[in-house]
Amino acid sequence: AQTVTQSQPEMSVQEAETVTLSCTYDTSESDYYLFWYKQPPSRQMILVIRQEAYKQQNATENRFSVNFQKAAKSFSLKISDSQLGDAAMYFCAYRSPNSGNTPLVFGKGTRLSVIA
Amino acid sequence: DGGITQSPKYLFRKEGQNVTLSCEQNLNHDAMYWYRQDPGQGLRLIYYSQIVNDFQKGDIAEGYSVSREKKESFPLTVTSAQKNPTAFYLCASSIVPYEQYFGPGTRLTVT
Repeated sequence: AQTVTQSQPEMSVQEAETVTLSCTYDTSESDYYLFWYKQPPSRQMILVIRQEAYKQQNATENRFSVNFQKAAKSFSLKISDSQLGDAAMYFCAYRSPNSGNTPLVFGKGTRLSVIA
Repeated sequence: DGGITQSPKYLFRKEGQNVTLSCEQNLNHDAMYWYRQDPGQGLRLIYYSQIVNDFQKGDIAEGYSVSREKKESFPLTVTSAQKNPTAFYLCASSIVPYEQYFGPGTRLTVT
């Protein structure tokens, strides 16, 4: 079974600085999808970014980018120019396209604090 | 607007009572999911349904029940057998192979 590990339970960053959240996963498949979700204090789960494993190019969404290292099974999230509104729980998730509509596999999350 | 609705946002019940949480989606997604989240913790899967009239247990199904009679709806019943039901409950839906879309959640308090 696939597993997702987020080794940093908590992180903090100064406003306007850059922070990287780590995520590793374990799978024997070659084709899959990876996601980062943000959960702010409102507790609404928001998709931040999606990466398809067959794409070598790292996904980017405005200030959010990923460093996808397929061989190392690593999928880190970089937040540039951090803002107070980035303070949230961040969850890394994995999905296999070959397992039907089975649920995403989530990591345990990293709580990010942004210091003004 | 397409999306997932969960109602109510806050729900209060007395211990020993069953309570049903609503989840409706108009995204035409086949699959729907229920998660439980305790303070400061991650998501734990309760039940999921890949298609109408079918559902599977997740990691913490004991004390919960679901039905999937319509594609749009996946209600969750928290029964009196659930030992510690106070939590935040999130509903989600998806279409393979993409991300899950989440509702705004229901905060259940049982006293």
